Amino acid sequence: NAGVTQTPKFQVLKTGQSMTLQCAQDMNHEYMSWYRQDPGMGLRLIHYSVGAGITDQGEVPNGYNVSRSTTEDFPLRLLSAAPSQTSVYFCASSPRGSEAFFGQGTRLTVV
Amino acid sequence: AQSVSQHNHHVILSEAASLELGCNYSYGGTVNLFWYVQYPGQHLQLLLKYFSGDPLVKGIKGFEAEFIKSKFSFNLRKPSVQWSDTAEYFCAVNEGTGFQKLVFGTGTRLLVSP
Repeated sequence: NAGVTQTPKFQVLKTGQSMTLQCAQDMNHEYMSWYRQDPGMGLRLIHYSVGAGITDQGEVPNGYNVSRSTTEDFPLRLLSAAPSQTSVYFCASSPRGSEAFFGQGTRLTVV
Repeated sequence: AQSVSQHNHHVILSEAASLELGCNYSYGGTVNLFWYVQYPGQHLQLLLKYFSGDPLVKGIKGFEAEFIKSKFSFNLRKPSVQWSDTAEYFCAVNEGTGFQKLVFGTGTRLLVSP
């Protein structure tokens, strides 16, 4: 079992560029989510999904899009990168009624 | 909105010292409570969780936490820390029993000196 796999691990973008952070889980978990981690702020929820075809906004959704066409995949799209989106991004999945399992993270720098 | 407070941002201990990290949350209804640990350069791993039942919860690596509903608290404890416990610790709360829409505290960086 690979668990939750995120790619890439590191990325540098120029302001205005777009990109997609990939997240895949092989545990058949119903729920998936994206968080960003910033120094002194803990983790904050960006978007989440309670099943294929169902997504919703979290605490800090602006500038990000998600879709969930399959149970396994939950990509996060940055539409037009800004320096304020420099962060570490974590994808998580969880079965109904249980704890979240996190991926290794993607460290994104926007210059 | 739900909020989580972790009182200590940085803690420095010597090996074998006892540890207690504070966590308070604001929601008054049914909650699920978690402590996650993040070792340097790694992802978050679950230390322990509380969903219901015995308010004293035991987790991995000798950690435990006590849920005190009247104080809205879920403090993390370990009787004797080791150098390998050096990490950042996050308290997290989920409202209700549905999707794990976690609200995290700001984290506590623990440094254990040998």
